[in-house]
Parts: sequence; structure tokens; C-alpha cells
Amino acid sequence: RKEVEQDPGPFNVPEGATVAFNCTYSNSASQSFFWYRQDCRKEPKLLMSVYSSGNEDGRFTAQLNRASQYISLLIRDSKLSDSATYLCVLPAAGGTSYGKLTFGQGTILTVHP
Amino acid sequence: GAGVSQSPSNKVTEKGKDVELRCDPISGHTALYWYRQSLGQGLEFLIYFQGNSAPDKSGLPSDRFSAERTGGSVSTLTIQRTQQEDSAVYLCASSARTSGSPGELFFGEGSRLTVL
Repeated sequence: RKEVEQDPGPFNVPEGATVAFNCTYSNSASQSFFWYRQDCRKEPKLLMSVYSSGNEDGRFTAQLNRASQYISLLIRDSKLSDSATYLCVLPAAGGTSYGKLTFGQGTILTVHP
Repeated sequence: GAGVSQSPSNKVTEKGKDVELRCDPISGHTALYWYRQSLGQGLEFLIYFQGNSAPDKSGLPSDRFSAERTGGSVSTLTIQRTQQEDSAVYLCASSARTSGSPGELFFGEGSRLTVL
């Protein structure tokens, strides 16, 4: 299993829809997880951090399932501006240091009118 | 501007030439990272600095790649004898955390390298 694996999509949804994507990971010892957002030809930016079972910020909810080793990102009431690539990120396998973060390949989301 | 600054933003070079990419992190950030992103691909880790030392160089693809950081601030990524497969966007990021999870990484806009 890859360290971090995501469905690349693309997910095409209408405005107002609810969409969710999953990310699976192989390192069962991982304690922290992140979702980054990357707009086309731009740099990634932090969207949410997940340190326990989950996190919620407005329309965005991240949930962690340690038993099945996946995290999910749920977006409610999608906006056109949510169109982006969503990157699942976690500390690299075997790394207890504060160094290396492993990025998933990303899930492409397109929200259309 | 308080963000991470990278230069050049675009670099076109001929195969076999050397290139230097520069990263100026956010002031006070002790951790600095280099990643690269090829077209349509995810981010590939290259190297990480804590202060001026590099605890993890495991991602450097070959001995043609090297990086240094001086004064706990600016970092330079050097690629010698460039090859076409080196073409990518090279992203630098910095973080304020010094222990535990690195927390939020702040990325620069990247240096787009094209090797002809």
C-alpha cells in the first residue's frame, strides 16, 4: 500500500452539492493529518488539520477513521470557488521527526453552475 | 511581503547546464522544505532543513542535486548537468514549528524549470 493514496477524480459536482473524498494511509502510527488545497498553477495552502477524530470548519468537515486508516474530507453546499485539487498530507512513514510530510496525488474537484 | 519568496519564477535552460534556485523563507521560520511537482503529479519531497542542517536528504533524486541553507534563512537548491526529466515546478516551504508535527507549511509560488 502506498503511504498516502487518494482517488484522483475528477469529481464534477453542481453548486450546492455535498461531496466527499477519502484518503487512505499505510502508517498506522500516524498521529496528525492535513488537507491542503491547491488551485491550478498555484502553491498548496493548508485547509484543515486533523489531530484527533476529526475537525470541522464551516462547510468543511474532516473525519479520521484509525481502524480503517483513512481520512475523509466532506464539503457541503459546494461553491464555484471550491474548485481545486485537494491534497491529503501526513508525516512520512517511520518519521517521528518533525520533518518530512508526504503528500497524496490529490483529488481534483470541479464545481459547475 | 511576508510570504515565502522563490526565484527565479521561471527558468529555461539547456540540457547539461547547471541551475540554482533560491528560496527566502518567512522570517523566523526555522524549518525549510524543498518539494518538486511534475506536470499533473503530486508533490515529491526533496530535502528538509532545520536551521542550517538537513536531517533528511532522502528525497534528492541523484548526486546532481544539492541544497544548502545559510544563516538559518535563505536556501539554494542546485541542479548540476540538468536533464530533461528535471523539468518540474520546484516548491519551497517553511514552517515555524521546531518539534512534533511540522504544522502548517507555507509555500512559495515555485520555480518552474524547463530543460530543453
